[in-house]
Amino acid sequence: GIQVEQSPPDLILQEGANSTLRCNFSDSVNNLQWFHQNPWGQLINLFYIPSGTKQNGRLSATTVATERYSLLYISSSQTTDSGVYFCAVAGTASKLTFGTGTRLQVTL
Amino acid sequence: DTAVSQTPKYLVTQMGNDKSIKCEQNLGHDTMYWYKQDSKKFLKIMFSYNNKELIINETVPNRFSPKSPDKAHLNLHINSLELGDSAVYFCASSQFSGSLQETQYFGPGTRLLVL
Repeated sequence: GIQVEQSPPDLILQEGANSTLRCNFSDSVNNLQWFHQNPWGQLINLFYIPSGTKQNGRLSATTVATERYSLLYISSSQTTDSGVYFCAVAGTASKLTFGTGTRLQVTL
Repeated sequence: DTAVSQTPKYLVTQMGNDKSIKCEQNLGHDTMYWYKQDSKKFLKIMFSYNNKELIINETVPNRFSPKSPDKAHLNLHINSLELGDSAVYFCASSQFSGSLQETQYFGPGTRLLVL
């Protein structure tokens, strides 16, 4: 099956800082999603981005499908950005394979 | 309106019991899923149904049995619960456009603790 690696595994930022999270995957995909799991455990869709670039407020994502990676950019981080960020991909089957996540802590 | 809902949100039970978790989606999607998140936060798919038909069945003990009475509902029944079943179970749904899968939307999760 598809392998998904995320880096870094842990990240501590001061409020206001910017960061880049990376997701590498081992095969071609027709679905790639970024999720934020907040401290209450809720999984929140950030982007559906099997290719290209999208922006939503302070967050943006880029997927380079031919090189099998995706990047999530967080600008001007806030404490509410804390939590775990997951990248998940799917190939020809519909099942999403999740990476192990990046745990982000934003401090004051 | 909640797009994907699960009940109960919390479930504490004894080893050996049988329990069910219910999931409903009001998005009009034709595909639904169950995922398990373990204590290390690792998320893994268990099952997927498309229009009430099972299309994905990962290596899951046969104590777990999904049931889809209609395409808006996918329930998970677990027999003879074991300590290792303690986890958070997430339901999700998505729509297919031709062969292209669209965004999967997740429910709030059900936190199962087996004592």
